Amino acid sequence: DQQVKQNSPSLSVQEGRISILNCDYTNSMFDYFLWYKKYPAEGPTFLISISSIKDKNEDGRFTVFLNKSAKHLSLHIVPSQPGDSAVYFCAAMEYGNKLVFGAGTILRVKS
Amino acid sequence: NAGVTQTPKFQVLKTGQSMTLQCAQDMNHNSMYWYRQDPGMGLRLIYYSASEGTTDKGEVPNGYNVSRLNKREFSLRLESAAPSQTSVYFCASSQSHRDRGPTNEKLFFGSGTQLSVL
Repeated sequence: DQQVKQNSPSLSVQEGRISILNCDYTNSMFDYFLWYKKYPAEGPTFLISISSIKDKNEDGRFTVFLNKSAKHLSLHIVPSQPGDSAVYFCAAMEYGNKLVFGAGTILRVKS
Repeated sequence: NAGVTQTPKFQVLKTGQSMTLQCAQDMNHNSMYWYRQDPGMGLRLIYYSASEGTTDKGEVPNGYNVSRLNKREFSLRLESAAPSQTSVYFCASSQSHRDRGPTNEKLFFGSGTQLSVL
């Protein structure tokens, strides 16, 4: 049973608009969450993270929101750019344990 | 700064053949990992090494072995390849504290190995 779920396999957004990528988790012991970005033929790269003691973390155009009661987090990209087109993986961990990854969401930003 | 380097980038094997995937990192990280990526499954942990001299099973270890040769290098071996092992393999490293384990698990990944087993 997948503990981290990204229910949207793909998302298409117009350049300049907001992209919202969603992630749900089932393990209430998870206390740290990360987003990774992956381009074709490359390895994933770290994008942004959030601790469970926060409900928002912002880094430039990227903001991650955490709703612990709903066991849900989302990544907002504003404004979206064609270079943001990639696969985005949500990941979660419990202190002392390993990262658990979601299946990924393919984001396409159209110019 | 190379980061995490893994070889080969592509490999085709016949069922039953063996091979070793090599991985090296130059960031002086304590922890290293092997993942596989399959469509609809995300990244699944095969094996990891929290520090030099230690290795542990991850989520999908069957059919694989690993060796942490030194702090820099962590290899993954398929002794008898099966079609179910067709996948993209990623090596990663992180600066986890050797004794405390992972805190905020920011991983640095290699560029991947596309493996096909016929």
